[in-house]
Amino acid sequence: EAGVTQSPTHLIKTRGQQVTLRCSPISGHTSVYWYQQALGLGLQFLLWYDEGEERNRGNFPPRFSGRQFPNYSSELNVNALELEDSALYLCASSSGFTTEGDQPQHFGDGTRLSIL
Amino acid sequence: TQLLEQSPQFLSIQEGENLTVYCNSSSVFSSLQWYRQEPGEGPVLLVTVVTGGEVKKLKRLTFQFGDARKDSSLHITAAQTGDTGLYLCAGVGSGYALNFGKGTSLLVTP
Repeated sequence: EAGVTQSPTHLIKTRGQQVTLRCSPISGHTSVYWYQQALGLGLQFLLWYDEGEERNRGNFPPRFSGRQFPNYSSELNVNALELEDSALYLCASSSGFTTEGDQPQHFGDGTRLSIL
Repeated sequence: TQLLEQSPQFLSIQEGENLTVYCNSSSVFSSLQWYRQEPGEGPVLLVTVVTGGEVKKLKRLTFQFGDARKDSSLHITAAQTGDTGLYLCAGVGSGYALNFGKGTSLLVTP
């Protein structure tokens, strides 16, 4: 079974530019989560998509947005890039959630975004 | 946001030694998950603990969930160089997103 795949693996951008990151979940998984892992800050939740809808977002500005397609793949868009956006962006997928919300999330290897 | 504090932040030990890392919160979690992340890779789920007081073993790794479901520990017996990595605990927060601690970076040397 193929795992979560993310593209590209590395990306270099300059301040003010826009970027789109892509994620393909494990087959059969309907939920996709995006996290930012910046140096010294740990993994922080960005966005959650399920069945094509945005279900929740973390404490990030509106220039972070995304969408989920009918095949459950997802894009993360970041506009007006700032230096502090440099981070590893991780995508995770799960097969949904129980009433306790503890369905395990399976992570991709991330996209390393560097802002110059 | 429910905060998870992990300690120690860094740990360097020799092969064969035992170690324990901790994950603490002031909030109650319905479950806690432990992940290991190696450089250049995404986190990989090790275990989920659900019941207060629960103990789970994964070979040389022992995970415990506190009775009040606010804290957890990971104990590694006879560490090996292959155990090197970043150990992350995570609790399910609102909207089913995971709240992660900042992790414990473990280095096991020969």
